[in-house]
Amino acid sequence: TQLLEQSPQFLSIQEGENLTVYCNSSSVFSSLQWYRQEPGEGPVLLVTVVTGGEVKKLKRLTFQFGDARKDSSLHITAAQPGDTGLYLCAGANAGGTSYGKLTFGQGTILTVHP
Amino acid sequence: DAGITQSPRHKVTETGTPVTLRCHQTENHRYMYWYRQDPGHGLRLIHYSYGVKDTDKGEVSDGYSVSRSKTEDFLLTLESATSSQTSVYFCAIRTQGTLTYEQYFGPGTRLTVT
Repeated sequence: TQLLEQSPQFLSIQEGENLTVYCNSSSVFSSLQWYRQEPGEGPVLLVTVVTGGEVKKLKRLTFQFGDARKDSSLHITAAQPGDTGLYLCAGANAGGTSYGKLTFGQGTILTVHP
Repeated sequence: DAGITQSPRHKVTETGTPVTLRCHQTENHRYMYWYRQDPGHGLRLIHYSYGVKDTDKGEVSDGYSVSRSKTEDFLLTLESATSSQTSVYFCAIRTQGTLTYEQYFGPGTRLTVT
């Protein structure tokens, strides 16, 4: 069974601060996806990283996939109240018979105070 | 927007009654998934489908059944609802890219079993 450990579970910061969320596993994934979810809504896909060592930027958000494709991080620069939400990482299984299933981390609840 | 709708969006039911949740997609995706989301547990896979009439169990399938008689509809049935099945239920579809796959989620159904 593949597991993804996401940390921290909770993050409460002031507007303008930087933060990093981590997703770690002992398993190799073919790709890793990051989602953001707001209350009462479904998770929304932010980015997919596929290649080991890959770095993707989405405005103030920087996503990195570890060289061995076992871990990933999300860094937010100068956080804003609009960044508040639940952030989820999910690993796509590397096996050919995975049926497209994802392994999800537990999530990080981010609160950015004005 | 992946063209996914879920119905109902909210439901309150009594213990012991059967409940059916519907997921409808408009883009002819082959793979569909049902998850439940609970505090501290992230998203857990209940059942998934890899084609019409082709379904399989996820990690938390006890007490749930599914059916897929048409590509566009994936139904989740709680055969005899229990209070432990109070949760938010999400449906998802899978898209296939060149190197990997991604999942996109519906808006969710909040189910309360009293």
